[in-house]
Amino acid sequence: GNSVTQMEGPVTLSEEAFLTINCTYTATGYPSLFWYVQYPGEGLQLLLKATKADDKGSNKGFEATYRKETTSFHLEKGSVQVSDSAVYFCALSDRSRDDKIIFGKGTRLHILP
Amino acid sequence: DAGVIQSPRHEVTEMGQEVTLRCKPISGHDYLFWYRQTMMRGLELLIYFNNNVPIDDSGMPEDRFSAKMPNASFSTLKIQPSEPRDSAVYFCASRDRESTDTQYFGPGTRLTVL
Repeated sequence: GNSVTQMEGPVTLSEEAFLTINCTYTATGYPSLFWYVQYPGEGLQLLLKATKADDKGSNKGFEATYRKETTSFHLEKGSVQVSDSAVYFCALSDRSRDDKIIFGKGTRLHILP
Repeated sequence: DAGVIQSPRHEVTEMGQEVTLRCKPISGHDYLFWYRQTMMRGLELLIYFNNNVPIDDSGMPEDRFSAKMPNASFSTLKIQPSEPRDSAVYFCASRDRESTDTQYFGPGTRLTVL
């Protein structure tokens, strides 16, 4: 079945550092890929998405590229801020199968001032 | 536009009591999802509805859990009787049929069963 694997946290970085959170997926079809973010005390919200191979999703300085050849969708940001501290979830959906989104376990990110 | 609304935001109850969580999806959304989040198990899909009809309830942990969607603007998740291991944050999310799979989450209900 479809699944998502992302790096375990917590990840602790200093402000202005470069961020990478790795995510790989397994899917039989052609899924859409997502990164969701959860700030403390809130629900998840969509950060970015990509719907086909080689697409790049971007938002708020974050980027991720849909790599079909490596089945990956790594999240990157060039210079993180304290306000980026949150839990990040990689996810996929395959509408040809069902209407669910499969979420990874989440990676907690701490940014130190 | 208002987002997904959940109530209550916090619930503390004693083991054996009935608990009802409520959700109002975004107006016009056809799909509604109930999730549970714990440190141990992460984010789990419990059940989802399409046009008020339950489509997949395979994630509902046991018969103590039930969910209903009597109309397009309201859903409930009920636990009867509640147990301490049900303590978690419960999220409701909704989506429209036209979107490319983006779900919109509510703020969650933090349930503590003593």
